[in-house]
Amino acid sequence: DIQMTQSPSSLSASVGDRVTITCRASQSISSYLNWYQQKPGKAPKLLIYGASSLQSGVPSRFSGSGSGTDFTLTISSLQPEDFATYFCQQSYSTLQTFGQGTKVEIK
Amino acid sequence: QVQLQESGPGLVKPSGTLSLTCAVSGGSISSSNWWNWVRQPPGKGLEWIGEIYHSGSTNYNPSLKSRVTISVDKSKNQFSLRLSSVTAADTAVYYCARDMEGRKDYWGQGTLVTVSS
Repeated sequence: DIQMTQSPSSLSASVGDRVTITCRASQSISSYLNWYQQKPGKAPKLLIYGASSLQSGVPSRFSGSGSGTDFTLTISSLQPEDFATYFCQQSYSTLQTFGQGTKVEIK
Repeated sequence: QVQLQESGPGLVKPSGTLSLTCAVSGGSISSSNWWNWVRQPPGKGLEWIGEIYHSGSTNYNPSLKSRVTISVDKSKNQFSLRLSSVTAADTAVYYCARDMEGRKDYWGQGTLVTVSS
C-alpha cells in the first residue's frame, strides 16, 4: 500500500493568513494527487486534482503543487468558510489511499 | 449536475451483512466513470472500499476484499455495496462517489451505518 502522511495534523490560523498543508507519499506517485475539503457532517469536496489543477468552482485562493512524493496545498488568504479538515488522496495505484487529514481551526 | 444518494439500513447486527445502494441522477451510470464506495469511521479518516465500472469490472481494497461485493444495476442507474460478517469496526459513514480519472468529483451525502446488537 502507498501510505499518505499529512502534516500538520491540525493547525490554528486567523482569517487572512496564508496556510500550507503538506502531504508525503511513501513512494513516488507522479502527480496523481488530489485534495479534498470536508466540513463537519458533510461529504468531502474536491478542491485540487492532478496535484495542481483547480476543480471547477473552487476559489483561486486554493492552490496545489508538488510531484513525486511531496505535495502541498496552499490557501493564500484564509476565509471563514475555509475552516475545515483537508485530506490528500493518491490515485497512482488501484488501491487508492487517503492522508489522515489536517484540521484547520480558528485561532 | 450529477447527484448521488445512498440508502439502506442504518443499523446492522454483528456478523450480519451491510447492504447499501447508491442511486445516480443527472447522469448515466454507463458513462466512462468508475463508481466508488468510501467509508469514514466516526471522528476518523477516509477509507476506500472499492469501485465498479458499468461493465461490471470491480476493484476492491485488499483489506476488505474477502467480505465486499459491489454490483451495478444499469436499468435502475444505481450501484450497490454488500459487506458481510460485519463487526463494530465497520461502523462508519458510508459514501458513494463518482470517480473521474482517479479523482472523486461527485459524492453522496453519506449514510451512517452502526453495527450493534
